[in-house]
Amino acid sequence: EVQLLDSGGGLVQPGGSLRLSCAASGFTFNNYAMNWVRQAPGKGLEWVSVISGSGATAYYADSVKGRFTISRDDSRNTLYLQMNSLRAEDTAVYYCAKTTGTSCYSPSDFWGQGTLVTVSS
Amino acid sequence: DIVMTQSPDSLAVSLGERATINCKSSQSVFYSSDNKNYLGWYQQKPGQPPKLLIYWASTRESGVPDRFSGSGSGTDFTLTISSLQAEDVAVYYCHQHFSLPFTFGQGTKLEIK
Repeated sequence: EVQLLDSGGGLVQPGGSLRLSCAASGFTFNNYAMNWVRQAPGKGLEWVSVISGSGATAYYADSVKGRFTISRDDSRNTLYLQMNSLRAEDTAVYYCAKTTGTSCYSPSDFWGQGTLVTVSS
Repeated sequence: DIVMTQSPDSLAVSLGERATINCKSSQSVFYSSDNKNYLGWYQQKPGQPPKLLIYWASTRESGVPDRFSGSGSGTDFTLTISSLQAEDVAVYYCHQHFSLPFTFGQGTKLEIK
């Protein structure tokens, strides 16, 4: 059974940092590209970042480029999102999502439960 | 960026009736090299993560009831629920993963009339 456990969210002051984790199980982690998608309270879905199955390629939304870094540790079956220089507008539930293939352009077929990040003083 | 526009924003349908949600992309999401539309549909219920219903515009995800179907190509797509059930109350999103940055529609809230 595929499982994705998002963690690492919390309350952080503007300008601060957080690292989100997504622990994967039930599938061969390094065979699949992975996404981070966020959802501000009461709002729609916003794509944040994607990393290929090999980890060689990653892409970011303009809103987070230069501040966020996606990475993966295939030995730990874990996806990460390092978030620096956080802003109030980064407040959201962050979901990791598994795709159906190694390519960054593969569809996302399974999502974690999400972790809430609140940026406030 | 590809803008995804869903219509309507909200929809109320009687139980057992058909529900139709439309999604229009500002650019084609069809890739001729593999003959696929890079378009998916997701269902999100309150307090839950999104759930994949349809991928490649018309392929139903395993375990999804066959009352859900997707159609369309290029820039115009439709999600149809053939006979609405109470458990289908949710927000539905279309999503393009053809061109970076990937984008979602604004969502369509489906309710029971």
